[in-house]
Amino acid sequence: NAGVTQTPKFRVLKTGQSMTLLCAQDMNHEYMYWYRQDPGMGLRLIHYSVGEGTTAKGEVPDGYNVSRLKKQNFLLGLESAAPSQTSVYFCASSQDGNYGYTFGSGTRLTVV
Amino acid sequence: DQQVKQNSPSLSVQEGRISILNCDYTNSMFDYFLWYKKYPAEGPTFLISISSIKDKNEDGRFTVFLNKSAKHLSLHIVPSQPGDSAVYFCAASGNSGAGSYQLTFGKGTKLSVIP
Repeated sequence: NAGVTQTPKFRVLKTGQSMTLLCAQDMNHEYMYWYRQDPGMGLRLIHYSVGEGTTAKGEVPDGYNVSRLKKQNFLLGLESAAPSQTSVYFCASSQDGNYGYTFGSGTRLTVV
Repeated sequence: DQQVKQNSPSLSVQEGRISILNCDYTNSMFDYFLWYKKYPAEGPTFLISISSIKDKNEDGRFTVFLNKSAKHLSLHIVPSQPGDSAVYFCAASGNSGAGSYQLTFGKGTKLSVIP
């Protein structure tokens, strides 16, 4: 089925460890986004990309890095995980940037 | 500064009655508004949208109303069904001051439809 796929779905990290979350879309969308969802905070934008090879900071970018080497993939990296990064992470893609995002099913990350 | 506000964290409604979810925004440059629905352990899914040139958009049981002068929109669900129980996010698009390539989301309202 066409859509946005996130891997892994669950992960537990120790403080200071690093990891990469992968987002893949097969809709040939130009724009891709990483959000985090925390209780009572809604969806907050971490980083986004408006095309292959481009990235930009969102509302809460600190502690994260991203790369978009291929149009269909958007990677979110945590270099040194902290307990404050315990969250559910959602990737989304969009053709035109303003309307109709398609979201992945999320990655639940726990940092202990 | 929160540009999209959903002031009710939760709402409970009896099955068959109307559910009204509210959303306020502060940025007058927003020109397109969307509602997303999210079930537990799933990603948000698009529900309905409205352009700023309209004041109402209807899709089956779901209607979104926009009051530009009040910077307020609402989502009406009639009749409400138990399967509508989910978290509903309001989102806005336009020149948010941080570029026009992203949506700004509210914090969400958890709707519970009681059978």
